[in-house]
Amino acid sequence: GAVVSQHPSRVICKSGTSVKIECRSLDFQATTMFWYRQFPKKSLMLMATSNEGSKATYEQGVEKDKFLINHASLTLSTLTVTSAHPEDSSFYICSATKDRDTEAFFGQGTRLTVV
Amino acid sequence: DQQVKQNSPSLSVQEGRISILNCDYTNSMFDYFLWYKKYPAEGPTFLISISSIKDKNEDGRFTVFLNKSAKHLSLHIVPSQPGDSAVYFCAATTSGTYKYIFGTGTRLKVLA
Repeated sequence: GAVVSQHPSRVICKSGTSVKIECRSLDFQATTMFWYRQFPKKSLMLMATSNEGSKATYEQGVEKDKFLINHASLTLSTLTVTSAHPEDSSFYICSATKDRDTEAFFGQGTRLTVV
Repeated sequence: DQQVKQNSPSLSVQEGRISILNCDYTNSMFDYFLWYKKYPAEGPTFLISISSIKDKNEDGRFTVFLNKSAKHLSLHIVPSQPGDSAVYFCAATTSGTYKYIFGTGTRLKVLA
């Protein structure tokens, strides 16, 4: 199977600071990566679709200036939570697909706590 | 608007019996469906998928059934094992979009 690595797995930051989360496909090239957010006892909510070499596509209601996504290479996408606030505390998960019509592989997730 | 729904938030099953998890969707453009298993504080793990051209797909103890006319799919686990205890999410997508829409999850507890 394919491996997607997400780092860090857990981060605590102060309000007003920015946090960067990395998502790497370790053994395959991912043209497209996705970022999800999971609220407690809620489903995984798609935040944005990250395409290598182009701007990310954000879902309705997701602030693009707040959640900066960079897909710098075929194996790396980053999500930066800017000027973090306590309400940004959540579990963020990335995923990547190898090609069309196959299952997405997920990273381990990042637990962000903003204090 | 919840396009993918899992109406049972939790399910308890005795070890060795069958677990049936259900999922309904509303978007007729969805043509590929997946089931994921998730433990707390971890990313989802892929279990099994099915294309809309099929009505059944089987992989070991896991079978997914798709009823397109009813916009309904189900995951059968037989026999259920205590290690199957987790939250199960169904997901749907439209070919070429790569966007997965997840259901709200069903927490399965398999009792020893």
